[in-house]
Amino acid sequence: QVQLQESGPGLVKPSQTLSLTCTVSGGSVTGGDFYWSWIRQHPGKGLEWIGYIYSSGSTYYNPSLKSRALISVDTSNNQFFLKLNSLTAADTAVYYCARGEDGGAYHFGYWGQGTLVTVSS
Amino acid sequence: SSELTQDPAVSVALGQTVRITCQGDSLRRYYASWYQQKPGQAPLLAIYGNNNRPSGIPDRFSGSSSGNTASLTITGAQAEDEADYYCNSRDTSGSWVFGGGTKLTVL
Repeated sequence: QVQLQESGPGLVKPSQTLSLTCTVSGGSVTGGDFYWSWIRQHPGKGLEWIGYIYSSGSTYYNPSLKSRALISVDTSNNQFFLKLNSLTAADTAVYYCARGEDGGAYHFGYWGQGTLVTVSS
Repeated sequence: SSELTQDPAVSVALGQTVRITCQGDSLRRYYASWYQQKPGQAPLLAIYGNNNRPSGIPDRFSGSSSGNTASLTITGAQAEDEADYYCNSRDTSGSWVFGGGTKLTVL
């Protein structure tokens, strides 16, 4: 059974860079055809896809983030990461990591439990 | 990138059938997936592709698609189905996109 677990700071100051880690167990971040993704949810709002790193290492980001996001992977520790710079209060959200795949339809079959990040001075 | 549009709220009487819809241009090319989210929990995949249900999802949940509209149908809604439901698809630019979500109330 694939499991994902987010970790990172719960509080970050404005203008700083957020760094989050997603630790994957029960599957390899380099095996198969998967889109290792970050998704966020602002308080009381809907889901927003941030971006992914594909099993091959290629990345793709939501254009609305205006190049503030960077996703990378550590194959030795089976983790992938999100860095989001130039933070503002609008980046306060629950951040989820998830595994995307194309099994006849693109979907996220496995999610982490989410981690709340608050941007405040 | 394209958008996916959902009704903000839908209600259904206990035991009745409800359809939640999702509209968007990308759905003419790609199937939608559907997620159930209860308060304080991560989203849970409910339906994907051509009416595929992950293990553990009750068979009262089904999906369909026509043109630019995808639908999630719950046949015989139960109290535990009260949740937010989100559709999701990929668009032609390569982005993944979510609908705004539908809050389902079971009366």
